[in-house]
Amino acid sequence: GDQVEQSPSALSLHEGTGSALRCNFTTTMRAVQWFRKNSRGSLINLFYLASGTKENGRLKSAFDSKERYSTLHIRDAQLEDSGTYFCAAEAGTGGYKVVFGSGTRLLVSP
Amino acid sequence: GGIITQTPKFLIGQEGQKLTLKCQQNFNHDTMYWYRQDSGKGLRLIYYSITENDLQKGDLSEGYDASREKKSSFSLTVTSAQKNEMAVFLCASSIRLGGLGEQYFGPGTRLTVL
Repeated sequence: GDQVEQSPSALSLHEGTGSALRCNFTTTMRAVQWFRKNSRGSLINLFYLASGTKENGRLKSAFDSKERYSTLHIRDAQLEDSGTYFCAAEAGTGGYKVVFGSGTRLLVSP
Repeated sequence: GGIITQTPKFLIGQEGQKLTLKCQQNFNHDTMYWYRQDSGKGLRLIYYSITENDLQKGDLSEGYDASREKKSSFSLTVTSAQKNEMAVFLCASSIRLGGLGEQYFGPGTRLTVL
């Protein structure tokens, strides 16, 4: 079935450094959305992409439907970036199906 | 901006009990969703609704009922709570009919079954 593999499952960064999170899809996806779970457990929208790239501050996301992946880049990481990040993708096949990645727990330390 | 509210915030039930979770949104969004999140796993879609009185099953619909009474509200019923079950139920809405769109999430209802 449609699946999303999100990696890494956990990531530790020092303040000021950066890294990338990745979601690989087993099938063609129509769109992808990235979320961050805040300290209260709410899911905060970061990006929604049907193609290409989007950038917002220190975050940048890319989505390649043909190559079946999406990335979320974090640069100049800050302590408040810590949290769990999820990708969610909408399957491009007939009907409607949304699948979520299992999440990346990011810890930014001084 | 709008807001999604979920009630109750915490729900404690007994095995076999029927439990109802409620969700309200004032975005005037057409599509609403119910997801379940288990510890260490991604969200899984239970039910969604693309308009008032519409209901579509997700991957995890067995054991649940849902009702879209009006455009702004979407309720989820656990038909028979399972012993020791613990999960967070998240409601979301989006403007697009039938598609992922840009989803906005509520704060969640945390279920514990004794």
